[in-house]
Amino acid sequence: GAGVSQSPSNKVTEKGKDVELRCDPISGHTALYWYRQSLGQGLEFLIYFQGNSAPDKSGLPSDRFSAERTGGSVSTLTIQRTQQEDSAVYLCASSLQTSNYGYTFGSGTRLTVV
Amino acid sequence: AQSVTQPDIHITVSEGASLELRCNYSYGATPYLFWYVQSPGQGLQLLLKYFSGDTLVQGIKGFEAEFKRSQSSFNLRKPSVHWSDAAEYFCAVGLGGSQGNLIFGKGTKLSVKP
Repeated sequence: GAGVSQSPSNKVTEKGKDVELRCDPISGHTALYWYRQSLGQGLEFLIYFQGNSAPDKSGLPSDRFSAERTGGSVSTLTIQRTQQEDSAVYLCASSLQTSNYGYTFGSGTRLTVV
Repeated sequence: AQSVTQPDIHITVSEGASLELRCNYSYGATPYLFWYVQSPGQGLQLLLKYFSGDTLVQGIKGFEAEFKRSQSSFNLRKPSVHWSDAAEYFCAVGLGGSQGNLIFGKGTKLSVKP
């Protein structure tokens, strides 16, 4: 598509439930990134996919967080047993080959855990 | 570890005044440098980037930034601020090569007085 598409734009969930956030990157972009943005905390790197390589999961905060990317395109970030501290805006970005070219970000998913 | 510091959390300037937002990075070699802007309720938009060559780079919306190796800085400037520039600004560092993700500063919120 023309831009990075994320869905849903807003998600309210009860503590303890699982959620799935979706990212559809720009066509042809081989690299895909997930970040979390909390108030006053800037952007926290979560996970990075590059082509068919094993993802860099070094930023995932706990084993409740996981992500996959199917067919080198759409990615899903899953948070299991959500906690209130998971409330944040989850941003997806994609880039052509590497981050050296800069990212194109999606508009994000605002997750609220109640 | 590599890091990015934006010393100013919040800056207020008058419309028409000049602007400089500070960014310092910690990295042994010359990184790839970026500035992004996030308007309220919007995703992040790339303003400009530095890879190599001329240390003064021009971006969109009348912004420019200067890379100073000796100071490990990449400050963002604009000669005359418009009310529509009110937003949050993020500096980011990429380490080049096949290194995956960008490292972001915590952001500087810009308010513009009429």
